[in-house]
Amino acid sequence: QVQLQESGPRLVKPSETLSLTCTVSGGSMTGYYWSWIRQPPGKGLEWIGYIYYSGITKYNFSLKSRVTFSVDSSKRQFFLRLTSVIAADTAVYYCAREGAGSAWLDSWGRGTLVTVSS
Amino acid sequence: SYGLTQPPSVSVAPGKTARITCGGDNIGGKRVHWYLQRSGQAPVVVISHDSNRPSGIPERFSGSNSGNTATLIISRVEAGDEADYYCQVWDISTDHRVFGGGTKLTVL
Repeated sequence: QVQLQESGPRLVKPSETLSLTCTVSGGSMTGYYWSWIRQPPGKGLEWIGYIYYSGITKYNFSLKSRVTFSVDSSKRQFFLRLTSVIAADTAVYYCAREGAGSAWLDSWGRGTLVTVSS
Repeated sequence: SYGLTQPPSVSVAPGKTARITCGGDNIGGKRVHWYLQRSGQAPVVVISHDSNRPSGIPERFSGSNSGNTATLIISRVEAGDEADYYCQVWDISTDHRVFGGGTKLTVL
């Protein structure tokens, strides 16, 4: 069964760049879409975007100007970069895999809380 | 952009049936997925493609989708079902994944 694990700095200063890595184990990245989702404390889920194993990306319109995804399938890792962060970017960040058909998220990482603060 | 509306909260007594709705424009024409999120944990899919139950999810969980409303139905509710529930669809026009605002299920 595939497992995902987020990693990266837990504290980022305002105006700096948030960088996270999602490491996939127990399965290949080939043929799948891989998503990033975030959840501010006490709030709901927000889809940030996806990256296909080949590198094709799609970003949520609300974050498109600040977010970049990349992938290294050989290492079974994909990456999130969010620039010019503000306090409102403080959230638990999840990575997830999409199952076949209709973009459902069948496997999730445990999530990592990233706090934006000076 | 496509929007999904969920009631903020639903309360139900143990052993009864809980119904959590997810409203959207012609949502019946989309496939709806439902996630359970317990406090401090990652979401877990409980229903995919309107009514499919992934392996390991109890038969007490079911779903329906028609018109402008999708519904997650939890029969014989247990204390352990207390959680936040989110609906999600694929908006094919934008290729975005869209979540509802979430519903907190309280077991009385």
